[in-house]
Amino acid sequence: DSGVTQTPKHLITATGQRVTLRCSPRSGDLSVYWYQQSLDQGLQFLIHYYNGEERAKGNILERFSAQQFPDLHSELNLSSLELGDSALYFCASSVAGGNYGYTFGSGTRLTVV
Amino acid sequence: ILNVEQSPQSLHVQEGDSTNFTCSFPSSNFYALHWYRWETAKSPEALFVMTLNGDEKKKGRISATLNTKEGYSYLYIKGSQPEDSATYLCASRNTGGFKTIFGAGTRLFVKA
Repeated sequence: DSGVTQTPKHLITATGQRVTLRCSPRSGDLSVYWYQQSLDQGLQFLIHYYNGEERAKGNILERFSAQQFPDLHSELNLSSLELGDSALYFCASSVAGGNYGYTFGSGTRLTVV
Repeated sequence: ILNVEQSPQSLHVQEGDSTNFTCSFPSSNFYALHWYRWETAKSPEALFVMTLNGDEKKKGRISATLNTKEGYSYLYIKGSQPEDSATYLCASRNTGGFKTIFGAGTRLFVKA
């Protein structure tokens, strides 16, 4: 157990639907990062939050949004889902600056049918 | 936007062989370089984080070097073992923002 908890582990939903992925960072970590891994693709950076504030955005679609709550857990909301959104979504956390690397959760496997 | 390149894409070695992979990254506004080990069906695990030009880090049979001026890092594995089979990811973060961009990884297969 890495200390980063992601739920659910698996999610199957239909096109056009909306889902919420949840991440609880490792205790003491203030930064949360979201990454997407599609088939045959590497880890694509989506968004970074630090202590409740958005710090950086990557190639995150407008249909996607995220937030980090006062208890530091984060949610990634995916709406108007398309088949191409099927992917493994990872959350990672770190202490400020990430100088000790990121700790990854086990990921949420999203399948859009 | 950072562009992090890793080579080779995949590598097959025999048990006992030593091997190395390359990660190249933009040298401007460099902040940190991460290496991760990612086993199938698991999550990436941090191996090293390096920030200074000339940094060398070692963990057991695995070591890494960093050249921030020319924008590359090498990961070395000495005496590869089957349990070293995994994808090795590098990731670079610059000072201009708070993005850490991952390369596509090098997939290592070690045959017993």
